[in-house]
Amino acid sequence: AQRVTQPEKLLSVFKGAPVELKCNYSYSGSPELFWYVQYSRQRLQLLLRHISRESIKGFTADLNKGETSFHLKKPFAQEEDSAMYYCALRTSGAGSYQLTFGKGTKLSVIP
Amino acid sequence: NAGVMQNPRHLVRRRGQEARLRCSPMKGHSHVYWYRQLPEEGLKFMVYLQKENIIDESGMPKERFSAEFPKEGPSILRIQQVVRGDSAAYFCASSPPSRAGGEQYFGPGTRLTVT
Repeated sequence: AQRVTQPEKLLSVFKGAPVELKCNYSYSGSPELFWYVQYSRQRLQLLLRHISRESIKGFTADLNKGETSFHLKKPFAQEEDSAMYYCALRTSGAGSYQLTFGKGTKLSVIP
Repeated sequence: NAGVMQNPRHLVRRRGQEARLRCSPMKGHSHVYWYRQLPEEGLKFMVYLQKENIIDESGMPKERFSAEFPKEGPSILRIQQVVRGDSAAYFCASSPPSRAGGEQYFGPGTRLTVT
């Protein structure tokens, strides 16, 4: 069965500092990886997905199949980045629809 | 588009009562997913439905839990004879019919508390 691990429950960084939220996964096939974000009192929303290879709000994430990682990075943290971040995986192949989530990392950006 | 709607947002039930959670998908979406989030945990998949069909319920507990998505109206997650361990946040997500499992849009969740 697939599994997503986010080793940090809480990450605090100063405004302007680089941010890296770690995500590791285990899955024998070729997965799709996502990052979801939940701002305070808002619903969970998609931040980015690896297949689109785009940068959203300054965040990027690269799928490293060798290390089975999909870390989320931003060079300069902003206060508005404070939120819960969830890494999620969807398996490939027919019938793939359910997302497997990590436990989440709470990012706190200190002004 | 109002987005995925869930109600109620908060639900308190005594042990042994029934809980009914409702989810209205985004307009034009015909795929609905239910996830449960226990305290300090990530979201865990429960069930995937299309209109009038349960496609995958591999994440549903074997007893007391059921889900439906009728032709008309919202999707319902029903928990019978609730126990304290059912206290959690329940999230619904929907996606368009073009591809199952395409980007899933999440609702605000229903926080169930069992006393």
